Amino acid sequence: DAKTTQPPSMDCAEGRAANLPCNHSTISGNEYVYWYRQIHSQGPQYIIHGLKNNETNEMASLIITEDRKSSTLILPHATLRDTAVYYCIATPVGGSEKLVFGKGTKLTVNP
Amino acid sequence: DAGITQSPRHKVTETGTPVTLRCHQTENHRYMYWYRQDPGHGLRLIHYSYGVKDTDKGEVSDGYSVSRSKTEDFLLTLESATSSQTSVYFCAISQGLDYGYTFGSGTRLTVV
Repeated sequence: DAKTTQPPSMDCAEGRAANLPCNHSTISGNEYVYWYRQIHSQGPQYIIHGLKNNETNEMASLIITEDRKSSTLILPHATLRDTAVYYCIATPVGGSEKLVFGKGTKLTVNP
Repeated sequence: DAGITQSPRHKVTETGTPVTLRCHQTENHRYMYWYRQDPGHGLRLIHYSYGVKDTDKGEVSDGYSVSRSKTEDFLLTLESATSSQTSVYFCAISQGLDYGYTFGSGTRLTVV
């Protein structure tokens, strides 16, 4: 599985867009990019995933660069409840079907 | 989370005793996973299952065993608990990576 690199922490003002970067320069063609978040001591929560096209759902948008070496998770209007650790993971679908979590980015949304 | 429950939620046990944690799902998902989470290490995969009686090791499987005799239950056993196994344990279920994981609420285990 490709290694991902994320900043350890970020801050965002409430109501503004939160843009969380992820570098995955060694990603291979069959690896998807997944984003999860973990709020305080709860279990992680699935947000979104994609292969090469940009994706959007009710929670967030995922922008993947054309060379697929990096991606950005966008929370369009961050709220205090979005304060969490965000994990970016690259892994192939259809293989062992397991996710390996890194240390993620601690996003703090400030009032 | 709906469809997945972990038991117990909290447990304190003594070093050397056996401990079994249970993960139960009502979703009939094929894949089930056990992770542990410790400060400074994030989430680490212990064992996972891709069907009844089909299990495999993760990155930190030493000292742990698992069993899956029914689709709905995935048991994690610490044969002889040690203080280094004090952790928060999370179970997850999935129909496959194309659908994302659903995690349970966790079991906080303390080995004294």
